Amino acid sequence: EVQLVESGEGLVQPGSSMKLSCVASGFTFSNYGMNWIRQAPKKGLEWIALIYYDSSSKYYADSVKGRFTISRDNSKNTLYLEMNSLRSEDTAMYYCAKSGSGDFDYWGQGVMVTVSS
Amino acid sequence: DVVMTQTPPSLSVAIGQSVSISCKSSQSLVYSDGKTYLHWLLQSPGRSPKRLIYQVSNLGSGVPDRFSGTGSQKDFTLKISRVEAEDLGVYYCAQTTHFPPFTFGSGTKLEIK
Repeated sequence: EVQLVESGEGLVQPGSSMKLSCVASGFTFSNYGMNWIRQAPKKGLEWIALIYYDSSSKYYADSVKGRFTISRDNSKNTLYLEMNSLRSEDTAMYYCAKSGSGDFDYWGQGVMVTVSS
Repeated sequence: DVVMTQTPPSLSVAIGQSVSISCKSSQSLVYSDGKTYLHWLLQSPGRSPKRLIYQVSNLGSGVPDRFSGTGSQKDFTLKISRVEAEDLGVYYCAQTTHFPPFTFGSGTKLEIK
């Protein structure tokens, strides 16, 4: 059974940093691209980052480019999202999602990031 | 960026009825490999999104065949036949043909009468 378990939830002040993790199990993690997708309170879904299976390519939404960094450690079956210069508009539920047949076939339960003074 | 326009924003249906949700993209979603990367997801209340249909019409694992997807180019439809109580939630379309970024529709909230 595929499982994606995020961690790193918390409340931080504007301008600070935070790192999220997503531990994968139930599939060969090193064979698949992985994504971070967020959802602001009462809002829709926003894709924010993709990393290829071998970390050879990374893509970001304009809203986080230059501030967020996606990375992975295939030896630990873990995906990361390092978030710097956090803003109030980054407040959201953050999901990791596995790339499937061009889509997002499995999602984690999500972690809440709140940016507030 | 590709804009995904979903309609209606919400709908209320009785158990056993059928419903359709429309998703239109601002550009053709046919990729250079000939495939169309338009997908549908369901977010049940308080839950994370779940895959329903990928590449227009392929059912995700375990998804009942009451769900079906059709469409091409820029115009797509999700149909739910014989709605059941467990179908309530917010339905999203998503495109992964053109990136970055991947983009989602704004969602359609399905309520049960």
